[in-house]
Amino acid sequence: DAGVIQSPRHEVTEMGQEVTLRCKPISGHDYLFWYRQTMMRGLELLIYFNNNVPIDDSGMPEDRFSAKMPNASFSTLKIQPSEPRDSAVYFCASSPLGNEQFFGPGTRLTVL
Amino acid sequence: AQSVTQPDIHITVSEGASLELRCNYSYGATPYLFWYVQSPGQGLQLLLKYFSGDTLVQGIKGFEAEFKRSQSSFNLRKPSVHWSDAAEYFCAVVLNRDDKIIFGKGTRLHILP
Repeated sequence: DAGVIQSPRHEVTEMGQEVTLRCKPISGHDYLFWYRQTMMRGLELLIYFNNNVPIDDSGMPEDRFSAKMPNASFSTLKIQPSEPRDSAVYFCASSPLGNEQFFGPGTRLTVL
Repeated sequence: AQSVTQPDIHITVSEGASLELRCNYSYGATPYLFWYVQSPGQGLQLLLKYFSGDTLVQGIKGFEAEFKRSQSSFNLRKPSVHWSDAAEYFCAVVLNRDDKIIFGKGTRLHILP
């Protein structure tokens, strides 16, 4: 198995632009998580899905952030419009049962 | 409130020395417990997990952890560290199988040659 796949690995954009991060979970995993990691705030859970349905989005910082999971093999995290304070590493993780999670390599986002 | 505490933000040990990273949790019941490692520029990788049974669990890369119910702790240990163990280590807990995981703030491990 290829593990959790995230793209792009690095993204540099200008303030105000739309950013879309992509994730392909491990096949057969029913749970998918999006995290954000920064030096100041550590690892933060943004949202997670179970069977493609969003279960808890209480960690999404504001309306500029949205996440979708149109099918079991694909999810997106979108930021529109992006701001410099959104600069972080964004991780996607998947899990067969919701507890033991398998992380992707992350997307390093820089908003100028 | 439920929480996970890693009291040490940074730890420095010499190569070949033993290591213990501390983790305490605050839950009413025994949760599922995990240790993850994050090498620079990488995602998190599961080192080991405890669900039930033997309170001493073995993981990858020579790590082990011991669950102590009386102390609400799940400390990570390694008898002899290698330079490649320099990384950040996260303790995590889940109360029930379908609950979301709660991560500690992490402990960054530095290795002296």
